[in-house]
Amino acid sequence: AQSVSQHNHHVILSEAASLELGCNYSYGGTVNLFWYVQYPGQHLQLLLKYFSGDPLVKGIKGFEAEFIKSKFSFNLRKPSVQWSDTAEYFCAVIPTGTASKLTFGTGTRLQVTL
Amino acid sequence: EAGVTQSPTHLIKTRGQQVTLRCSPISGHTSVYWYQQALGLGLQFLLWYDEGEERNRGNFPPRFSGRQFPNYSSELNVNALELEDSALYLCASSLKSGGSYEQYFGPGTRLTVT
Repeated sequence: AQSVSQHNHHVILSEAASLELGCNYSYGGTVNLFWYVQYPGQHLQLLLKYFSGDPLVKGIKGFEAEFIKSKFSFNLRKPSVQWSDTAEYFCAVIPTGTASKLTFGTGTRLQVTL
Repeated sequence: EAGVTQSPTHLIKTRGQQVTLRCSPISGHTSVYWYQQALGLGLQFLLWYDEGEERNRGNFPPRFSGRQFPNYSSELNVNALELEDSALYLCASSLKSGGSYEQYFGPGTRLTVT
């Protein structure tokens, strides 16, 4: 069975600071990887995804993530955060080629201060 | 295009009661997933339905059940409610085939058990 670890539970950054949120997964086969974001009072939204090809994927709102297969990692990055990025971020994994359950990490709460 | 819809938005029940939550997937999506987002526990997979059949089940007791209708909408039933069932219940939908298994989430139903 697959599992996902997000080591940063709560991150506080000032506006314009750079962001990197860690995500590591455990699974014996190939996977599709996702980052979802949940803004306060809003539903879970897809931020970006990796299925295959270029390991550096770009998502909405200036976010990007890099898949490093050798490290089983899919870290989320943003060069300069904004106050509006305050949200909870979830990394998720699903075995490739299946319509199966998403396995989520426990989430990282990002608080951006002015 | 309408997103995933869920009803009701909020629900307050007493321990021991039964509850039914409803979900309508995005048009064209045949798979429906249910997740529980309880405080401190992250997102836990509950059930997956596709083409009217239960395809996978998470580590939850049998009092959590559901079904999928011919129009692909779905219900989640929880019997004999317990206090720890208080959570946000999220429904997601996806295409089963076509190589893209992104799951799109609804706004959730907030269940409070007293």
